[in-house]
Parts: sequence; C-alpha cells; structure tokens
Amino acid sequence: EPEVTQTPSHQVTQMGQEVILRCVPISNHLYFYWYRQILGQKVEFLVSFYNNEISEKSEIFDDQFSVERPDGSNFTLKIRSTKLEDSAMYFCASSFNIGRQETQYFGPGTRLLVL
Amino acid sequence: AQSVTQPDIHITVSEGASLELRCNYSYGATPYLFWYVQSPGQGLQLLLKYFSGDTLVQGIKGFEAEFKRSQSSFNLRKPSVHWSDAAEYFCAVGAVYGGSQGNLIFGKGTKLSVKP
Repeated sequence: EPEVTQTPSHQVTQMGQEVILRCVPISNHLYFYWYRQILGQKVEFLVSFYNNEISEKSEIFDDQFSVERPDGSNFTLKIRSTKLEDSAMYFCASSFNIGRQETQYFGPGTRLLVL
Repeated sequence: AQSVTQPDIHITVSEGASLELRCNYSYGATPYLFWYVQSPGQGLQLLLKYFSGDTLVQGIKGFEAEFKRSQSSFNLRKPSVHWSDAAEYFCAVGAVYGGSQGNLIFGKGTKLSVKP
C-alpha cells in the first residue's frame, strides 16, 4: 500500500539554524500538507500546498517557514532560523483531492529538537 | 470557533474488554469527522470517517464510531480490545479555514494502554 514517507525521523539543531524537513507524498496525490504537534499539545495545521503554491496557511506559518516541491516527488518544509518553540513533531500529509471530506494520509513524522 | 475535545488523556483497559474513546466537536455546519490512530514510530493512520448518512460508521481493525449531532459527539468504540490496539487515538474534524477547505482540526489525543 502506498504511504507517505518523511526524512529524517529525528533532527537536532541549534537555535538560529536552518532546517529542512523532507516528505515524499503518495505518488498520485495532488494536495500536500504540513502539521505539527508540540509535545503534549494538539496536532496543528501549518500549511496546504497545491499546484506549486500555498493553498492555505495558519497563523503559525509565519515568514520563518516556507514550503517547496523541488521535484516531482519531494515536498519540503524549511524553517529559516529555528527557535526553541519550533521543537515539535512535524507531520506531512497528502490527499488526492481537497475538501473537508477528503482523507489525508500522514507520514510517520519528523521529531525536531531545537537546542 | 471550530474545535475538537478529547476529554481523556490516557485510558487503560484490559485485553478483551470493551473500549469507548470520547470525542466532542464544536462546529457550526455539518461536520466531517475522522478518527486516526498513531502507533509508536508510525504515522497517523485513518481508522474511519463520517460524512453523512448512517450515523454508525464502521472502520478498520474492528473499530466503529457513532455520530450524535444532539451531543456533538463522535465516540470511538471497540467491543473487544487487543494488545495491539495500544496506541494514541486522535479525533479530527475537517475544517473550513479561511477561504478554502481541507485542513484538519485535531483533538489532543487519547493514549490507550492495554493490560494483559
């Protein structure tokens, strides 16, 4: 069964450094998402992406964040200058279509720790 | 504002016992509701979803959930829990966010432990 993959599984970085989290969505999916979960808190929506542009973003997704689909398979989340509060589990998801009824398929997550 | 509440942070049940995980939502329109499960080291796997029609929804792994509009609830149930069901369970609603639709609003999750 096709699945969403994410690399790395864990990332430790120093405050102020740039990190890039990578995701390979399911191959025939058209919509891509990033969510994050700070330890002990809810999974929160960050951004959705379609046709090489952002469809929607939350207030969390500020100028420090960017997303890109650099080739036909990868979908990346970049954090330009990491802060301590960026420490979280980051989930990538993809869906074939968009809409409240669409099923989003999630990857296993990247645990980011900012020191 | 749209929100999802899972009142139980951690539940422990004995293997073979029945299970009910609670989920309440706050949403003005007809909700699109989901239950996901996350096993250690795994992604969020969809258990089941409700869009319309029959309010009792069957999912994978023997799970079911019942949508009760009057109670704004979408509780997850399983008649007999297996040790492999130990995981974290997330309830979510498909949100209307800004001008488009598609992102999910999640509850905080309920961690299920299973006693032998």
